[in-house]
Amino acid sequence: KAGVTQTPRYLIKTRGQQVTLSCSPISGHRSVSWYQQTPGQGLQFLFEYFSETQRNKGNFPGRFSGRQFSNSRSEMNVSTLELGDSALYLCASSLDSAYNSPLHFGNGTRLTVT
Amino acid sequence: AQKITQTQPGMFVQEKEAVTLDCTYDTSDPSYGLFWYKQPSSGEMIFLIYQGSYDQQNATEGRYSLNFQKARKSANLVISASQLGDSAMYFCAMSGKAAGNKLTFGGGTRVLVKP
Repeated sequence: KAGVTQTPRYLIKTRGQQVTLSCSPISGHRSVSWYQQTPGQGLQFLFEYFSETQRNKGNFPGRFSGRQFSNSRSEMNVSTLELGDSALYLCASSLDSAYNSPLHFGNGTRLTVT
Repeated sequence: AQKITQTQPGMFVQEKEAVTLDCTYDTSDPSYGLFWYKQPSSGEMIFLIYQGSYDQQNATEGRYSLNFQKARKSANLVISASQLGDSAMYFCAMSGKAAGNKLTFGGGTRVLVKP
């Protein structure tokens, strides 16, 4: 079974631009979550989608948004990029949104903002 | 609020020896899950093992075992017979019933296996 696929693997953007990251979950998984990983803040939860609905949201500004499609694929958008948005963005999928449902992560998208 | 603490920023271990990675947690949710993930330099987070708050026995997955001490709020990971490929960052994380599958992560422990 194929794992979680994130595209692209690397991105370089300029301050003020916007970016869209894509995530394809494991087949059959209906929950998709996004995390930001930085050296200073560690791993932080962005949001979680289940059946095209945002179920949970972390403490990030409104510049960070996401959506999920009917095939469970998800996209994350960051508008008006700031230097501090440089990070590894990890997508994870799970069967459902239950607390005992392990998350399976993709390889991540490394975003650099210059 | 949930909190995960990993007090060992980094450690060396000799190949073929066992290593224990410490993890303590805090939560007010009586129903929660504890997870360990491995992150090699490539960046992917690899799920290793899960322990539920109501599980009576410690979880095991191959060379990985989780030493769950509920009263002490600790969930240490034990890796037996270390291999060079075990060199990576290891993260302890937890979820709670109130917040669904949202994970709170610890700061991680970097493990370097020496030949």
